[in-house]
Amino acid sequence: NAGVMQNPRHLVRRRGQEARLRCSPMKGHSHVYWYRQLPEEGLKFMVYLQKENIIDESGMPKERFSAEFPKEGPSILRIQQVVRGDSAAYFCASSPFVGRQANEKLFFGSGTQLSVL
Amino acid sequence: AQTVTQSQPEMSVQEAETVTLSCTYDTSESDYYLFWYKQPPSRQMILVIRQEAYKQQNATENRFSVNFQKAAKSFSLKISDSQLGDAAMYFCAYVETSGSRLTFGEGTQLTVNP
Repeated sequence: NAGVMQNPRHLVRRRGQEARLRCSPMKGHSHVYWYRQLPEEGLKFMVYLQKENIIDESGMPKERFSAEFPKEGPSILRIQQVVRGDSAAYFCASSPFVGRQANEKLFFGSGTQLSVL
Repeated sequence: AQTVTQSQPEMSVQEAETVTLSCTYDTSESDYYLFWYKQPPSRQMILVIRQEAYKQQNATENRFSVNFQKAAKSFSLKISDSQLGDAAMYFCAYVETSGSRLTFGEGTQLTVNP
């Protein structure tokens, strides 16, 4: 059973371009979480999704950022018109459960490092 | 809002010695989980140890153990017999049992000297 797969591992974009980050959860996991890690900081929650539903997007910036987790395929974090401040590592985590059990079966991917020139 | 504070940006330890990393948190909840994650230069987030708040017994995983003081809202990590491979950034994290979002501290960079 492969772990949480994120790609690309590194992504370079120029200001104003779009960035699309992909996360394939572990097999059987229907709960996906996205976190952002700015340089020299801890991870900050962005969004929690289940298949075809956004459950909690309270950590997402109001503009330019969106996320989806379709019925088929990976979860996508999309950043439109990137700015230098978007440069960060973006992590995805997945779980097969919600609530107490989720906290015992949460696995992280290796992250995507986004660099905005 | 819940907060997690790691007051030691950097720590160092000699190989084979013991080191303790500090973490405090603030919450009004009574049922929650606390975690220590290790992030080596590869950037992978590796779960080191997990503690459920309702369990009074401190969690232990081989050379890693915690000192969980619920009343003081303190959750320190002790690494015994430190190894070179323990060098990494360590993050303390909190989540409500019924919640879905982890709150992380700012991290402690651990250096292990040979």
